[in-house]
Amino acid sequence: DQQVKQNSPSLSVQEGRISILNCDYTNSMFDYFLWYKKYPAEGPTFLISISSIKDKNEDGRFTVFLNKSAKHLSLHIVPSQPGDSAVYFCAASAWGNKLVFGAGTILRVKS
Amino acid sequence: EAGVAQSPRYKIIEKRQSVAFWCNPISGHATLYWYQQILGQGPKLLIQFQNNGVVDDSQLPKDRFSAERLKGVDSTLKIQPAKLEDSAVYLCASSLAGDSYEQYFGPGTRLTVT
Repeated sequence: DQQVKQNSPSLSVQEGRISILNCDYTNSMFDYFLWYKKYPAEGPTFLISISSIKDKNEDGRFTVFLNKSAKHLSLHIVPSQPGDSAVYFCAASAWGNKLVFGAGTILRVKS
Repeated sequence: EAGVAQSPRYKIIEKRQSVAFWCNPISGHATLYWYQQILGQGPKLLIQFQNNGVVDDSQLPKDRFSAERLKGVDSTLKIQPAKLEDSAVYLCASSLAGDSYEQYFGPGTRLTVT
């Protein structure tokens, strides 16, 4: 069962514009959410996270929004840069237990 | 600070053969994870160690997969015998503590079973 879903396999954005990556989850027990970024031939690297007690977390160009009622979170990248081109994974955890990952979204930022 | 090391980076074997992967976590990280990432999917946890004890192996196919973490540092993941559906990238990650959400991943081992 896919508890974490990233329904857009890929996204293409022009440099300087906003990138919005979406993630939906089904398990209401998830209380912590993370985004990881992965370049080819490398392991995923942690990008940003949010606890369920918040609805927004910001770190530089990256902002994550959480809508608990809709069981939806999104990652905004503003402005997008060519170096942001990568696969982005959404992940969730319940009570500090194992991370459940989505299938990923390939982001291409065109210069 | 050195990152998580994994070897080999690539491995091609025939079905029914055996294979082993090695992982050296970041120094001082008590928790070590092995993930399987099949093409087009996200990483799936196979096994989690806290020091040298197993915390979660609920998704490890124990009839063919085994893992150990001797002395609470390095770890080895073994598949015996391999099946075609085991073709995937095997990722090792480590974190300071078991409830640390920031996991640091190695580059992975790409396994192809023919």
